[in-house]
Amino acid sequence: SAVISQKPSRDICQRGTSLTIQCQVDSQVTMMFWYRQQPGQSLTLIATANQGSEATYESGFVIDKFPISRPNLTFSTLTVSNLSPEDSSIYLCSVEREQGDEQYFGPGTRLTVT
Amino acid sequence: LAKTTQPISMDSYEGQEVNITCSHNNIATNDYITWYQQFPSQGPRFIIQGYKTKVTNEVASLFIPADRKSSTLSLPRVSLSDTAVYYCLVVTNAGKSTFGDGTTLTVKP
Repeated sequence: SAVISQKPSRDICQRGTSLTIQCQVDSQVTMMFWYRQQPGQSLTLIATANQGSEATYESGFVIDKFPISRPNLTFSTLTVSNLSPEDSSIYLCSVEREQGDEQYFGPGTRLTVT
Repeated sequence: LAKTTQPISMDSYEGQEVNITCSHNNIATNDYITWYQQFPSQGPRFIIQGYKTKVTNEVASLFIPADRKSSTLSLPRVSLSDTAVYYCLVVTNAGKSTFGDGTTLTVKP
């Protein structure tokens, strides 16, 4: 298994500001992903965080709004920029040890935008 | 990516066996099927994964018919703590997958 921590666990932000979420894994992993889960709904993949290169974004998500970094095999950050109330959601980091393996999820970051 | 379809909700009682079926009509040859469990305020947790026939582990069984267009997650003798949302995913050999709407299982005493 993999132990994943996310910081912060929750935050309340004002519209127009940005929030950066950190994801730390206890061991090196090949794949890291960022998801969004709105209350009562399923998970939506935002992007795949690629080590040493630009993230791969899913349809409907763009780098300007969701810049992602992955400087090494155990750490990634997701920034949610220019916040609006519609960005209020839970943001989850997940990892795969090797591509195609089961995913392990972090506890999530609950973001509220006022 | 193959789309999955599951029942929105199911009810059961403690001690019963629960079977949740997922349809994935457009599954490709190299895709495989994975199930996750999610409790409120937690990230999803891997339950089981399979390609065809039957897979069993310590918590569940996964039945996949020969045409692979559906799969059934079987939870033996559920308890109250099995109340959760269960997601069926089809995963490509490139590791891409899409979470469907999930099935909310409620186990009653």
